Amino acid sequence: DVKVTQSSRYLVKRTGEKVFLECVQDMDHENMFWYRQDPGLGLRLIYFSYDVKMKEKGDIPEGYSVSREKKERFSLILESASTNQTSMYLCASPGRGADTQYFGPGTRLTVL
Amino acid sequence: AQKITQTQPGMFVQEKEAVTLDCTYDTSDQSYGLFWYKQPSSGEMIFLIYQGSYDEQNATEGRYSLNFQKARKSANLVISASQLGDSAMYFCAMREANTDKLIFGTGTRLQVFP
Repeated sequence: DVKVTQSSRYLVKRTGEKVFLECVQDMDHENMFWYRQDPGLGLRLIYFSYDVKMKEKGDIPEGYSVSREKKERFSLILESASTNQTSMYLCASPGRGADTQYFGPGTRLTVL
Repeated sequence: AQKITQTQPGMFVQEKEAVTLDCTYDTSDQSYGLFWYKQPSSGEMIFLIYQGSYDEQNATEGRYSLNFQKARKSANLVISASQLGDSAMYFCAMREANTDKLIFGTGTRLQVFP
């Protein structure tokens, strides 16, 4: 069964901390995506990766960076967390078929 | 620019009734895909149904059907025989041509009452 997992369901951090959100997929897929979800705004794409060591900016990359050292793992990094990064973060990995897109369970991050 | 519009922030429906959630999209691409996801309060995104732009038949998955009107650029989700467990946020999304990036609407919160 297809699976996308995220390292934490809930996370509380302080302003200025470095935060790592990890996503792992077991489907051997090339593509992985990080989205951010805020009420009234839907999901917005932060960064994505089409291959190991490769990354592309999405629509709202400011304040974030990513790392993809291995095919199955895609990390989202907040170099210096700020309160406006309090949000729900969702990782996704599309399947091989046109009709498949798998999401992780999400991480609710609160920055105090 | 590509865009998904969901104009209903919230909807109410009585159990066992059918409900339609609206979604319109804007794209100049000929090839695209349309998705509907359900997000319960737990936060996970649950895939419901998919429609390809070249599919001539409307997609159906159990109680879910997608009313695809290409000329009007609409992809409404129809849930038949609503259940209390259908209460959730529902998102319409479009996959960009030749990529796997999804563009989401702002969502519709559906509440099913007894």
